[in-house]
Amino acid sequence: AQSVTQLDSQVPVFEEAPVELRCNYSSSVSVYLFWYVQYPNQGLQLLLKYLSGSTLVKGINGFEAEFNKSQTSFHLRKPSVHISDTAEYFCAVSIKTSGSRLTFGEGTQLTVNP
Amino acid sequence: KAGVTQTPRYLIKTRGQQVTLSCSPISGHRSVSWYQQTPGQGLQFLFEYFSETQRNKGNFPGRFSGRQFSNSRSEMNVSTLELGDSALYLCASSLGDPISYEQYFGPGTRLTVT
Repeated sequence: AQSVTQLDSQVPVFEEAPVELRCNYSSSVSVYLFWYVQYPNQGLQLLLKYLSGSTLVKGINGFEAEFNKSQTSFHLRKPSVHISDTAEYFCAVSIKTSGSRLTFGEGTQLTVNP
Repeated sequence: KAGVTQTPRYLIKTRGQQVTLSCSPISGHRSVSWYQQTPGQGLQFLFEYFSETQRNKGNFPGRFSGRQFSNSRSEMNVSTLELGDSALYLCASSLGDPISYEQYFGPGTRLTVT
């Protein structure tokens, strides 16, 4: 079975500062990796995904993530955050044999302060 | 293109009752997955339907069931409600064939059991 650990439950940062949200995963087989964002009272929106190819993945809203197979990590980064980035962020994995089933981490609340 | 819609958005039920939630996927999408989100357990996969057949199932008791109609709309049913069933129920749609790892989530149905 696979699992996902998000290393920080809360990350407070100031506006225009860089941010990194950390995600580690565990799986005995190859995985596909995702980051989703959830704004208050809304569903999840896909930020970016890694299926294969380049380990540096660029997503929407200026976010990017790097897949590191040896470290089993998939950290999310943004060089300069805005107030509007305040939300909860979820890292998720899927494996080929589980169809589109996602296993999520516990989430990281990113709060951007002025 | 319209997004994933879920009805109702909010629901209050009493212990022991049953409830049915509805999900309409994005036009052309044939796979619908359901997730339960709670503060304690996070996001957990319930089941996935594709072409009116359950293709994948999570670790939930038999009180949780679902179905999919020929137009790809899906319903999930929870019988004999317990206080612990209070949660945000999210559905996600994807193309389904071939398996698409890009899923689109609806806004969720907030179920409160009293």
